[in-house]
Amino acid sequence: DIQMTQSPSSLSASVGDRVTITCQASQDISNYLNWYQQKPGKAPKLLIYDASNLETGVPSRFSGSGSGTDFTFTISSLQPEDIATYYCQQYDNLLSLTFGGGTKVEIK
Amino acid sequence: QVQLQESGPGLVKPSDTLSLTCAVSGYSISSSNWWGWIRQPPGKGLEWIGYIYYSGSIYYNPSLKSRVTMSVDTSKNQFSLKLSSVTAVDTAVYYCARLNIAVAPYFDYWGQGTLVTVSS
Repeated sequence: DIQMTQSPSSLSASVGDRVTITCQASQDISNYLNWYQQKPGKAPKLLIYDASNLETGVPSRFSGSGSGTDFTFTISSLQPEDIATYYCQQYDNLLSLTFGGGTKVEIK
Repeated sequence: QVQLQESGPGLVKPSDTLSLTCAVSGYSISSSNWWGWIRQPPGKGLEWIGYIYYSGSIYYNPSLKSRVTMSVDTSKNQFSLKLSSVTAVDTAVYYCARLNIAVAPYFDYWGQGTLVTVSS
């Protein structure tokens, strides 16, 4: 299995801050990575696919980058409605999809 | 508007079989997409269980493969999950979702999730 390691596991930032989350794969997955947002009590929502492509309707303050084993997810200016847990997910191996452990984002 | 809705017992006894169904509306399950199950233990992260194509092709998470069975019913536009020999570690919110493969494989539509508790 490809292991996905996210960091940090949680963070606290102020409204307007730039927030960065990293996701590291245990082996090269090219750009086969998605990012999801999950608000409390809700299903995950796709934000980014193919490592850097913004899903339709998702605000432009969200972005993703990276390839190979190291990936970054960024919120350029944190908003109160961005409070959620964020997950990366690899699809290099469709026989064994795996998610990262999640990063909980809170407002300071 | 594509909608998915999970249904099934919220309480299952240890060693029994967990059975869930996902009803799809606003989209034909026979179109070119896969249909998957993902679970999330309380307070923990997401775990992919498996996905199925309308024709019956299936991929299961290797760690659950021996206990999982998925099926699809195109006449009812729904698909199902069975997980046998459950224990407390199978307590989780179970989500069904569509795996969109048109551009890149991602889960773009999700059900609201259903909590299944394994307890006697």
